[in-house]
Amino acid sequence: GIQVEQSPPDLILQEGANSTLRCNFSDSVNNLQWFHQNPWGQLINLFYIPSGTKQNGRLSATTVATERYSLLYISSSQTTDSGVYFCAADTGTASKLTFGTGTRLQVTL
Amino acid sequence: DAGVIQSPRHEVTEMGQEVTLRCKPISGHDYLFWYRQTMMRGLELLIYFNNNVPIDDSGMPEDRFSAKMPNASFSTLKIQPSEPRDSAVYFCASSLGGALGANVLTFGAGSRLTVL
Repeated sequence: GIQVEQSPPDLILQEGANSTLRCNFSDSVNNLQWFHQNPWGQLINLFYIPSGTKQNGRLSATTVATERYSLLYISSSQTTDSGVYFCAADTGTASKLTFGTGTRLQVTL
Repeated sequence: DAGVIQSPRHEVTEMGQEVTLRCKPISGHDYLFWYRQTMMRGLELLIYFNNNVPIDDSGMPEDRFSAKMPNASFSTLKIQPSEPRDSAVYFCASSLGGALGANVLTFGAGSRLTVL
């Protein structure tokens, strides 16, 4: 099956800093999603982005499908951005997603 | 919509007991997924359903695990007998499926299972 790798595994930022999280995948994808797992364990969908670029407030994501990677940008980070960010991918269309191991982000004051 | 509803939120049981986890997907969603999250293995897909029919159960760890979806608004994941290594957070998720772009996955809050 598809392999999904994320980097860096851990990231510590001061409030207000920007960051880039990377996701590499081993096969062509029809489905690529980014999630945030907050400190209480809730998984929230951030983006559905099998290709192209999307923005939602301080977050944006870009997927370059031909080169098999996706990037999540967080600008002007806030303490509420803390948690684990997961990338998940599927080669089909049914959202049978394979998750990466995540990037754990801690934003400090 | 209230989102994906899971119960119980926490379950503590003893080895050998039967455990039943429940899920109510978002109304109108055609796909339902059961995931398990552990520190060692991360988030793993156990099984998914399309229109109440199990499509892929290759992630179900062994025969002790079973899942059903008797109707479009209810699914169960059962472990019998439970073992300490089954301790994990079990997530249910649903999506519209079908056309590309309608596959955004929405997760429930999870059921944290501890088997003593």
